[in-house]
Amino acid sequence: EIVLTQSPATLSLSPGERVTLSCRASQSLSNFLAWFQQKPGQAPRLLIYDVSKRATGIPGRFSGSGAGTDFTLTISSLEPEDFAVYYCQQRSNWPPTFGGGTKVEIK
Amino acid sequence: QVQLVESGGGVVQPGGSLRLSCEASGFTFTDSGMHWVRQAPGKGLEWVAFIRYDENIKYYADSVKGRFTISRDNSKNTLYLQMNSLRPEDTAVYYCAKDGLCGGACISRLFDYWGQGTLVTVSS
Repeated sequence: EIVLTQSPATLSLSPGERVTLSCRASQSLSNFLAWFQQKPGQAPRLLIYDVSKRATGIPGRFSGSGAGTDFTLTISSLEPEDFAVYYCQQRSNWPPTFGGGTKVEIK
Repeated sequence: QVQLVESGGGVVQPGGSLRLSCEASGFTFTDSGMHWVRQAPGKGLEWVAFIRYDENIKYYADSVKGRFTISRDNSKNTLYLQMNSLRPEDTAVYYCAKDGLCGGACISRLFDYWGQGTLVTVSS
């Protein structure tokens, strides 16, 4: 199965800062990489799919980039509601797999 | 709007069984593939199982193969997960999720909508 490695595990930041999260795959994903946001006690929410396509209703401050095995989620300016855990997920092969997550916490 | 509502979670002893349900509304359930995804307490996300719209294709994670069975009743817009021979490591919140981007025979492996989850605890 494809292993996804996210870094860093935790980021401590202030509102208004720019955030860059990394996801590295054990083999090429083409462009089949998605990002999810999860807040405590809530289900994950789809943010980005196929590397750079924003899901319905997702604000423009969220963007994705990358290719092959290295991918990035960027939040251009952190809003208070963006403090959460972020997961990447590949849909290139069965089984679909997730990264271990990056927690973005308030500094 | 899309709604997925899970039920059926609870506390069960090791070796026991439980059946989860997921009632869907707000989209064409009969044309949509569906998944179960779980999350152990304080841990990450793990895909569990998939069923195509017509039940003709099913996939399972190795960790549950032979113990869990995914099924659906399209007349009731409901997805199920029958869990047998439960182990402590099956303790998790179980989410149902819709397979996104395409319908019918197409399988995207993208989870575009999720339910709120139901907690399963396997403990003696």
